[in-house]
Amino acid sequence: LAKTTQPISMDSYEGQEVNITCSHNNIATNDYITWYQQFPSQGPRFIIQGYKTKVTNEVASLFIPADRKSSTLSLPRVSLSDTAVYYCLVRTGGGNKLTFGTGTQLKVEL
Amino acid sequence: DGGITQSPKYLFRKEGQNVTLSCEQNLNHDAMYWYRQDPGQGLRLIYYSQIVNDFQKGDIAEGYSVSREKKESFPLTVTSAQKNPTAFYLCASSANAGEQFFGPGTRLTVL
Repeated sequence: LAKTTQPISMDSYEGQEVNITCSHNNIATNDYITWYQQFPSQGPRFIIQGYKTKVTNEVASLFIPADRKSSTLSLPRVSLSDTAVYYCLVRTGGGNKLTFGTGTQLKVEL
Repeated sequence: DGGITQSPKYLFRKEGQNVTLSCEQNLNHDAMYWYRQDPGQGLRLIYYSQIVNDFQKGDIAEGYSVSREKKESFPLTVTSAQKNPTAFYLCASSANAGEQFFGPGTRLTVL
């Protein structure tokens, strides 16, 4: 059973760039890849969405290789407030199945 | 204020009881979703609806039921058939296949 996998956790320091990768080898051919941030006991919050190559907004960049079987969320110059769990979301299995990644707990320290 | 709301924030249920969790959105979104999240775990899809009067099972639909009589509302009923219902429940909505907007969640505890 194909899964959408992420590293369980990552540690970083304030001011560093953090890259979180999601592996989604069963992604539907015609749908977006979306990343969310979640703080404890809150609903996930949208960060960025893309289909291919590179997308950048005011808070993050998203890199997607040509085969779209993975994606990398890049957070420039993280701060303590970026400590959260990060999830990717893709459609898999022909496009009918929404699948969240396993989630990555990012911890940012001084 | 546009957004998606869930109520109640905390809910306690005795074993054997059915309970209904509310989800309302005023974003004019066609699609709505229900997810379950267990402590330290990711989100799992329970049910979703892409249009009024239509809905589909997600990965863990057993023991749950939904209705979509209005575009704005997508209530979730946790039935007595759900053997381990204690969890954090999240509702979301989206315009077609776009970004999902999440509500604040309902934490259900079975006593």
